[in-house]
Amino acid sequence: QKEVEQDPGPLSVPEGAIVSLNCTYSNSAFQYFMWYRQYSRKGPELLMYTYSSGNKEDGRFTAQLNKASQYVSLLIRDSQPSDSATYLCAMRRNDYKLSFGAGTTVTVRA
Amino acid sequence: GAGVSQSPSNKVTEKGKDVELRCDPISGHTALYWYRQSLGQGLEFLIYFQGNSAPDKSGLPSDRFSAERTGGSVSTLTIQRTQQEDSAVYLCASSTTSGVIETQYFGPGTRLLVL
Repeated sequence: QKEVEQDPGPLSVPEGAIVSLNCTYSNSAFQYFMWYRQYSRKGPELLMYTYSSGNKEDGRFTAQLNKASQYVSLLIRDSQPSDSATYLCAMRRNDYKLSFGAGTTVTVRA
Repeated sequence: GAGVSQSPSNKVTEKGKDVELRCDPISGHTALYWYRQSLGQGLEFLIYFQGNSAPDKSGLPSDRFSAERTGGSVSTLTIQRTQQEDSAVYLCASSTTSGVIETQYFGPGTRLLVL
């Protein structure tokens, strides 16, 4: 079993829809949780991070963490065509190694 | 400012040949990572360099893989006697600490195809 499981997708949604992306993890030692966005033929870029259970908002993006149930979610509100990308969850213990989910590819249709 | 750069962007090689992939990290970043991203898979950690410390090579999949970092800056990932299963995107990242979290900045990757 992989340490990090991510809903595989792909997802195709109309512009303006809410996108929900989910990851579960099996290692309770993970302390920091991140979402990366990766455009086609580009490297991943950090979108958001969180480390405490609850919601963290940044504009149209909300990261949700539930440590008791061991899952992390990313919500994208009012999705735009420019949000079309692959989204990767990543997490780490109190060291430097990141464990990544396999990614979910999102297409927002204009 | 300049981000992480990698070269070549694409590399096609024949099975059994050696390849070298280069990474130029962001100036001043002391930590450098190599990852491999296979189709439909997440990023797989390969190796980690931090300053003058001994690198963490625990993610290298076989002894055909090696990496070095010269002068605490540029890094080269070498794959000897390439196999078809080595075909993947190889990503390099350098990092700095912002707030409570270390932020990794990724390069665009080198797409390796082994025929």
